Amino acid sequence: DTAVSQTPKYLVTQMGNDKSIKCEQNLGHDTMYWYKQDSKKFLKIMFSYNNKELIINETVPNRFSPKSPDKAHLNLHINSLELGDSAVYFCASSQVAGDQYFGPGTRLLVL
Amino acid sequence: AQSVAQPEDQVNVAEGNPLTVKCTYSVSGNPYLFWYVQYPNRGLQFLLKYITGDNLVKGSYGFEAEFNKSQTSFHLKKPSALVSDSALYFCAVRPQSNYQLIWGAGTKLIIKP
Repeated sequence: DTAVSQTPKYLVTQMGNDKSIKCEQNLGHDTMYWYKQDSKKFLKIMFSYNNKELIINETVPNRFSPKSPDKAHLNLHINSLELGDSAVYFCASSQVAGDQYFGPGTRLLVL
Repeated sequence: AQSVAQPEDQVNVAEGNPLTVKCTYSVSGNPYLFWYVQYPNRGLQFLLKYITGDNLVKGSYGFEAEFNKSQTSFHLKKPSALVSDSALYFCAVRPQSNYQLIWGAGTKLIIKP
């Protein structure tokens, strides 16, 4: 069974489009995260939700909007995609302040 | 500002030799310390962590890490490297005061046969 899953795995789209990435965890964790990994492999936290409430909201353009319908899901919607949004986006989950478990990543390419 | 440094972008080791991947941090208090590994085209996997107690922590795949409070370091080690250990290794630190992990920039480990 997959612990943290993300869909889609690959996403190729045109500039200006709107897209969503979905994340689900079946570990019973209460905290979920979105990270962005750029082409130099640097990891940057974007958002974190604990029990469906936003607890970390780093300096991210407001074109990025996370939504957590329940503890097991954290989706990321991106409006008006730009070339610089091309990256790998990782979802992760943990018990509050515990070890983080990562999904396989969504590779986004904006053309 | 709180930070984590991995001073080497890349570490090259011959198979069978010991390896060390370095990590130092600048975080107040007594943080929790972590190592994660990322294989090509995969997500990050947890390797090991230090919270308290013995300074030498053992983790997955034969890795261990040594916590040194005076040097604020948490170097990752393995006595005998395998080619399959080739991957990207991330050090991360979590202050006790919040949820957020502070990540190092990653070190690419290359093990040559």
